[in-house]
Amino acid sequence: NAGVTQTPKFRVLKTGQSMTLLCAQDMNHEYMYWYRQDPGMGLRLIHYSVGEGTTAKGEVPDGYNVSRLKKQNFLLGLESAAPSQTSVYFCASSPAELTDTQYFGPGTRLTVL
Amino acid sequence: KQEVTQIPAALSVPEGENLVLNCSFTDSAIYNLQWFRQDPGKGLTSLLLIQSSQREQTSGRLNASLDKSSGRSTLYIAASQPGDSATYLCAVTLNQAGTALIFGKGTTLSVSS
Repeated sequence: NAGVTQTPKFRVLKTGQSMTLLCAQDMNHEYMYWYRQDPGMGLRLIHYSVGEGTTAKGEVPDGYNVSRLKKQNFLLGLESAAPSQTSVYFCASSPAELTDTQYFGPGTRLTVL
Repeated sequence: KQEVTQIPAALSVPEGENLVLNCSFTDSAIYNLQWFRQDPGKGLTSLLLIQSSQREQTSGRLNASLDKSSGRSTLYIAASQPGDSATYLCAVTLNQAGTALIFGKGTTLSVSS
């Protein structure tokens, strides 16, 4: 049981390049989330999904797109990376019941030059 | 808009001290409140989850309380150890559609031996 995994762990991009971050969970959770963590800003929600085939915007969605084609995977895409997107990205998942916590992946450290 | 504040931002104590971390939130309409631990360069680990109908939760040397009406929570750590050194994050779940967490910026704890 791996929990929540994220690929890749580190990445360096040049401004304007694109990339996709992959999140996978093996706990059969309905809900999945993407957060970014920046110094002095805390964790902020980018996008989330309440089930396969659904996505919704969070607090800071601009410049990102997401897809949830399979229940166990949640992809975060950057179409044209900008230096302001330099951050640590965390994926999380949770069951639909609000009595349980969210389970976080180890994070992806992204630098955009 | 819900805002979560954590005081202090950083705390240094000698080993063996009992300590209290504080969390406040502006909107009392929360579903639950959680405390997480984050080690440098790592993901988040859930420590305690308090439902809005509960007053406190305990796990080992940790005790978290919740006063929803005043918008406050405290995390009490008894007999602190160097291994407790980490950043502690408080987060609330809103009592509405979607279960995304709203985080405070954290308290970084350093316990010296």
